[in-house]
Amino acid sequence: QVALRESGPAQVRPTQTLTLTCTFSGFSLKTKGMCVSWIRQPPGKALEWLARIDWDDDKYFSQSLKTRLTISKDTSKNQVVLRLTNMDPADTATYYCARLVRGENSNYFFYYMDVWGKGTTVTVSS
Amino acid sequence: SYELTQPPSVSVSPGQTARITCSGDKLGDRYVCWYQQKPGQSPVLVIYEDNKRPSGIPERFSVSRSGTTATLTISGTQPMDEADYYCQVWDSSTGVFGGGTKLTVL
Repeated sequence: QVALRESGPAQVRPTQTLTLTCTFSGFSLKTKGMCVSWIRQPPGKALEWLARIDWDDDKYFSQSLKTRLTISKDTSKNQVVLRLTNMDPADTATYYCARLVRGENSNYFFYYMDVWGKGTTVTVSS
Repeated sequence: SYELTQPPSVSVSPGQTARITCSGDKLGDRYVCWYQQKPGQSPVLVIYEDNKRPSGIPERFSVSRSGTTATLTISGTQPMDEADYYCQVWDSSTGVFGGGTKLTVL
């Protein structure tokens, strides 16, 4: 059974770097077609996609946040780590990680986030 | 940057059909996913690869397309379907969510 769990600090100060860990089970990031995405949701607002890391170590980032984001994986620990630098109160949100699966049909690849963690809430305040 | 547009809210009576639209440039060239999120819960995938339902998602959820618009249709809407719904696509390998639609069943 696939499961993901986010962990990290509940509160950070402005300008600090946020480090979040996604620990997962039930799949491996060594498997072709497996990826992990990070998504966040400010209180009362919409989902915002942040980043993803693929089985082949390809990494992709939100255009608006790419200068502040890094993502890495430790396949031996089944973990993905997201870092967001220079935190601001506007970064206050619930942060989710999700398994991202690549499927393919005869013509195309397609992707979907089929299992999500419960999320971790991060507040940015001095 | 790529944008997806959804109506902020949709209301439907129990047993009726709810339709939630998602519009975006060249949406016809992209696969669309739909996610359901109930208050205080994580999002749940309800549709992927345009019109496929994960295991456990009822048949009353379906998607249709017309030009640059994809429409999530919930037939015979039930009170348990009341939630926020988000469409999502991939643009140059980066994820894009719509602004979300609050579905009220009353």
